[in-house]
Amino acid sequence: GQNIDQPTEMTATEGAIVQINCTYQTSGFNGLFWYQQHAGEAPTFLSYNVLDGLEEKGRFSSFLSRSKGYSYLLLKELQMKDSASYLCAADGGATNKLIFGTGTLLAVQP
Amino acid sequence: DTGVSQNPRHKITKRGQNVTFRCDPISEHNRLYWYRQTLGQGPEFLTYFQNEAQLEKSRLLSDRFSAERPKGSFSTLEIQRTEQGDSAMYLCASSSGLAGGVDNEQFFGPGTRLTVL
Repeated sequence: GQNIDQPTEMTATEGAIVQINCTYQTSGFNGLFWYQQHAGEAPTFLSYNVLDGLEEKGRFSSFLSRSKGYSYLLLKELQMKDSASYLCAADGGATNKLIFGTGTLLAVQP
Repeated sequence: DTGVSQNPRHKITKRGQNVTFRCDPISEHNRLYWYRQTLGQGPEFLTYFQNEAQLEKSRLLSDRFSAERPKGSFSTLEIQRTEQGDSAMYLCASSSGLAGGVDNEQFFGPGTRLTVL
């Protein structure tokens, strides 16, 4: 079966660091995407991990462990504009269709 | 604008009516995907085109749903005899699908929000 698990909601403070975890089980796997989605808007690309390890891109970093079926997104120096839903998605199979989790709604408080 | 565009952005219809949505992908992208997203959930895959060929359809895509990409450019998604359960955001995404890596990134359009009364 196909299963992507991530927390439903998280709260963090402006300027702090937050880690959003994701576990996945899919029949096909090419890599792991993280997308950001503000309410009423389309998802926008944050990161794509194919190999194990940490990839850093400015304030955002993403980690993947293929053997554990685990990924996380790390957001540093949180800003109010980071309040959004963060979607974990497995790139599955030959067609590269995305299998999404329910999304983690992050609320950044002053 | 060189991004993915979708029309209409909003559609309100009565149960039983037919609706059609259009997606214009990024011009050089040969891969096109349709997803459906309901409130509080992540997008769910509906169907995939490579150029004009529809290569995969989800079991979510009942026989009331049909999608086309006649010339390998824009795509349409039609829902016949709409039901209230069809109310959702319908997202289109495209990618270049070149070998590996970040070329698999899917660029999403703004979506069409369907409300079935």
